[in-house]
Amino acid sequence: DGGITQSPKYLFRKEGQNVTLSCEQNLNHDAMYWYRQDPGQGLRLIYYSQIVNDFQKGDIAEGYSVSREKKESFPLTVTSAQKNPTAFYLCASSPDRGTSLRYGYTFGSGTRLTVV
Amino acid sequence: GEDVEQSLFLSVREGDSSVINCTYTDSSSTYLYWYKQEPGAGLQLLTYIFSNMDMKQDQRLTVLLNKKDKHLSLRIADTQTGDSAIYFCAESSPMNRDDKIIFGKGTRLHILP
Repeated sequence: DGGITQSPKYLFRKEGQNVTLSCEQNLNHDAMYWYRQDPGQGLRLIYYSQIVNDFQKGDIAEGYSVSREKKESFPLTVTSAQKNPTAFYLCASSPDRGTSLRYGYTFGSGTRLTVV
Repeated sequence: GEDVEQSLFLSVREGDSSVINCTYTDSSSTYLYWYKQEPGAGLQLLTYIFSNMDMKQDQRLTVLLNKKDKHLSLRIADTQTGDSAIYFCAESSPMNRDDKIIFGKGTRLHILP
């Protein structure tokens, strides 16, 4: 079955550590997105990529980094510069620009990151 | 920038109808969506409506679009405990930078016994 897989489901980070969240899709989608979700704040866009080897900052990119070396993979690194990283992180993907408007985004099941 | 607004909470008795409302600002919105998020899970697309439609029905779900007032609603008939979730309204428009979809903050639907 085609889908989008995020791993791990739960992740614990010590202060000062960088951690990488994985997002893989086998839908042959062109675009991929990372969102952060905090209670009562909805989804906030961190980074997105519409094509391999290219990505753009979203609304809250500070303290995060991404790469898009392969079409199916869009890992997110939460760096030590992110002062409040505890949150639920969602990855999403969509087809080419014309099709994505009709079918919306497909979401992964999320990674809950906790700073300990 | 463009915005999507929805109330944060709604409580409904089991068996009643739930109506979740949403307003948006982009008059050039092309598609409007409703997503459902169950606890600890990702978002699942429930339904979408094209901007030239007024209504769309799919089993217990009815979507109403008032384009003049930029108002979208989702009605869930015979609400069940499994409908307890957060519901996100979202819109897309060719005017949105890079065709991004804009999401509301979500309405948490609580089912009363």
